[in-house]
Amino acid sequence: AQRVTQPEKLLSVFKGAPVELKCNYSYSGSPELFWYVQYSRQRLQLLLRHISRESIKGFTADLNKGETSFHLKKPFAQEEDSAMYYCALSEGNTGGFKTIFGAGTRLFVKA
Amino acid sequence: NAGVTQTPKFQVLKTGQSMTLQCAQDMNHNSMYWYRQDPGMGLRLIYYSASEGTTDKGEVPNGYNVSRLNKREFSLRLESAAPSQTSVYFCASSDLGHQGTNYGYTFGSGTRLTVV
Repeated sequence: AQRVTQPEKLLSVFKGAPVELKCNYSYSGSPELFWYVQYSRQRLQLLLRHISRESIKGFTADLNKGETSFHLKKPFAQEEDSAMYYCALSEGNTGGFKTIFGAGTRLFVKA
Repeated sequence: NAGVTQTPKFQVLKTGQSMTLQCAQDMNHNSMYWYRQDPGMGLRLIYYSASEGTTDKGEVPNGYNVSRLNKREFSLRLESAAPSQTSVYFCASSDLGHQGTNYGYTFGSGTRLTVV
C-alpha cells in the first residue's frame, strides 16, 4: 500500500545549524513527491516539488528511488523556518491528483 | 485573487446535528479535495472530485457526503455529526501542469470543527 513516513514528530535545531527532515515512501509506480509547509496561523502551502528540482527558501530535496526517500534539507536553519512540514506523495493523474500525506514533522529553530 | 476560500472557519456542533462546509476556488482548477487533519495522523483524504460532475471516495469517507456544485464549488456535508468527526477540515484544488504533471495543491485556510 502507498505510504509516506516521517519518522520525527519534532525536530529542534539551533539557528545556523543544518537541518534535515526525513521522509520515506512506499509506492509501486513512479511517484511525484512534494513538501508542504504550514507556518503558525497560516494555511498549508506548497514548498517544493521533486520534479522541478528547485531550491525554495534555501530548502532542497532529492528523490532517492533506491532508498525510497525524499528528505528535506537546509544548510543553515533560520528562526522563520519554524513550522510544520508535511511530505506528500501524489498518485498521478489517475482521475485527479490524489495525494497521500505523512504525519508531519514540527521544526523548531532555536535562537 | 482569493485562491481557495472555505467557510465557516470555526463551528461547534452537537452530536447528531448536520452541517455543510463550503469551499470555492477561483483558479479554474479541475480537481478539488477534502481532507481532515488530526494530530499525529497528518492529512487524510475524505472525498475528491477529479473534474466537474465526478466525485470519489478517499481514505476516510464514512459519515460524509460531497457535492461538486460546479467547477468552482465543492461542499462537504456531515449528515449526523459524531465526536469522532472533531477535526480541522481542509479543502484544496489542483490542476494539470505542463505535460500533465501535478503542480501541487492550493489549500484553503481550514475549518476547525468541534462536535460535542
